[in-house]
Amino acid sequence: SQKIEQNSEALNIQEGKTATLTCNYTNYSPAYLQWYRQDPGRGPVFLLLIRENEKEKRKERLKVTFDTTLKQSLFHITASQPADSATYLCALDSYNYGQNFVFGPGTRLSVLP
Amino acid sequence: DVKVTQSSRYLVKRTGEKVFLECVQDMDHENMFWYRQDPGLGLRLIYFSYDVKMKEKGDIPEGYSVSREKKERFSLILESASTNQTSMYLCASRLQVKDPYEQYFGPGTRLTVT
Repeated sequence: SQKIEQNSEALNIQEGKTATLTCNYTNYSPAYLQWYRQDPGRGPVFLLLIRENEKEKRKERLKVTFDTTLKQSLFHITASQPADSATYLCALDSYNYGQNFVFGPGTRLSVLP
Repeated sequence: DVKVTQSSRYLVKRTGEKVFLECVQDMDHENMFWYRQDPGLGLRLIYFSYDVKMKEKGDIPEGYSVSREKKERFSLILESASTNQTSMYLCASRLQVKDPYEQYFGPGTRLTVT
């Protein structure tokens, strides 16, 4: 069955450092991968999308990589701030009807001042 | 901005009650989804709908049903609530499935079944 793992249930880093979150998957052939941010008690909010034929995507302090050979995506937040503290979810999707979004369990990031 | 609203933020029901959770989106999205989120288990898909009157089972449909009579509204129904259905329920919508559009989530309904 499809499985997505996000290394580290929780990650603590110091303000100003780069946070790196990992998403690994098995038994899935995603066409693209998305990252979401979720604050406590709220719904997830979309951050970035990367397609299977793209190696890297950037948006401001965020960077995502996608390696379909390793079946892995890395999500980086540079110059991290306490306001970046949240749970980050990766989600896989394909173009096939009947095979829909699959979310990872999430990594809870805490940026310490 | 896309807005997805859910009928209640908090709900307390008794075992055996029929429960309706409503979700409305205002951007003419074709696809709508219902998830539940539990600690350690992440987001799990209950049902989704590609279009009006269409529905597909997700990973955990047992004990739930859905209704989509209008494009903007997607309802989740717990026919006979049980304590193991205590959870955070999240509704989401997406423009369509043909292209990689993101999902927009509602604020969630925290349901407690006693």
